Amino acid sequence: DTGVSQDPRHKITKRGQNVTFRCDPISEHNRLYWYRQTLGQGPEFLTYFQNEAQLEKSRLLSDRFSAERPKGSFSTLEIQRTEQGDSAMYLCASSLLDRPGPSTLGGYTFGSGTRLTVV
Amino acid sequence: DQQVKQNSPSLSVQEGRISILNCDYTNSMFDYFLWYKKYPAEGPTFLISISSIKDKNEDGRFTVFLNKSAKHLSLHIVPSQPGDSAVYFCAASLLSYNTDKLIFGTGTRLQVFP
Repeated sequence: DTGVSQDPRHKITKRGQNVTFRCDPISEHNRLYWYRQTLGQGPEFLTYFQNEAQLEKSRLLSDRFSAERPKGSFSTLEIQRTEQGDSAMYLCASSLLDRPGPSTLGGYTFGSGTRLTVV
Repeated sequence: DQQVKQNSPSLSVQEGRISILNCDYTNSMFDYFLWYKKYPAEGPTFLISISSIKDKNEDGRFTVFLNKSAKHLSLHIVPSQPGDSAVYFCAASLLSYNTDKLIFGTGTRLQVFP
């Protein structure tokens, strides 16, 4: 068990370019979450998957953002036509559960994140 | 609309003393609350949680208290240790709405000095 891996750790891109981030969850985990954290703020929910199904999306996830988990394992988060306001830490987390419950809710395991800087 | 608020951005405590981190929320429908700790360059790690039907949960040096009428919770760390120095996030969820997304506060940076 190597934990949740995110790649790359850092990404600097020019405004208007597209970027894609990858998240590899803990292998047996069926739920995968994406959060975004900007400076001075807590993590903000973006979306989550159960296996390959995207169950919920935040209104923060504009049409420039798309997340996929095609085979129910790794996930990608793509941002098209990046803007300076997209600069943030993008966090991925995973968990193993079929239904949310108190004993498992704290079982999110976060990765170390991908820091995106749009210049 | 910040539904979970941590009004103290930082806290400094001497080693061995009690650290008290506070969190306020506005949505009375929240039914589960969690605390996460975050070190630099790492993702948040789960610390302790409490259901809205309880008013206290204890795990070793960490105790979380919930005051539903005041929509307030606090995390007590006793005794504080230098390794506790980190950013602490309060988070809330709406399990009864069949979602396990978390709504985080803005965090409090705790520094424990010798």
